[in-house]
Amino acid sequence: KAGVTQTPRYLIKTRGQQVTLSCSPISGHRSVSWYQQTPGQGLQFLFEYFSETQRNKGNFPGRFSGRQFSNSRSEMNVSTLELGDSALYLCASSLGVGGNQPQHFGDGTRLSIL
Amino acid sequence: DQQVKQNSPSLSVQEGRISILNCDYTNSMFDYFLWYKKYPAEGPTFLISISSIKDKNEDGRFTVFLNKSAKHLSLHIVPSQPGDSAVYFCAAKKGNYQLIWGAGTKLIIKP
Repeated sequence: KAGVTQTPRYLIKTRGQQVTLSCSPISGHRSVSWYQQTPGQGLQFLFEYFSETQRNKGNFPGRFSGRQFSNSRSEMNVSTLELGDSALYLCASSLGVGGNQPQHFGDGTRLSIL
Repeated sequence: DQQVKQNSPSLSVQEGRISILNCDYTNSMFDYFLWYKKYPAEGPTFLISISSIKDKNEDGRFTVFLNKSAKHLSLHIVPSQPGDSAVYFCAAKKGNYQLIWGAGTKLIIKP
């Protein structure tokens, strides 16, 4: 069974640009969550989607947005990139939003802002 | 406001001995707790979980203990192996809300 796939693995952008990251969940998983991880920090929750609807949202500015498609694949977009957006962006999928269901992670997209 | 805290940034343990990783939380409404392991350049991997209605869950070398009165969670790894060297994260959630993560503890297993 294929795991969570994130593309691209690495990305270099400059300040002011925008970026789109992609996530394909495990087959059958309908919930997708996005996290930001910076050095020495835990995972900071960005948002969670289920059946194309945003179910939960973290404390990030409006420059960070996401969406989920009917096949459960998800994208996140960051506009007007800032130096502080340099981080590892992780996507996780699970069967649903409720209940005791662990999330399964992709290997992330390493975003570097110059 | 850190609802989930891992107060030890790192821990060094001799191979073959027990590794104990600790996690404290502040929200008594959390009803599900998980431990993840993360290697560099990889995403976190789910290890073990526990529901708030239990106080212990075991899976092979990994055991998670939950002390609700102390709002404390621990992960025991016995015996510790070199491949266990990684960063360990604890996470907690309440109902359908998102997971809240600790900052992680780097475990180093010495040969």
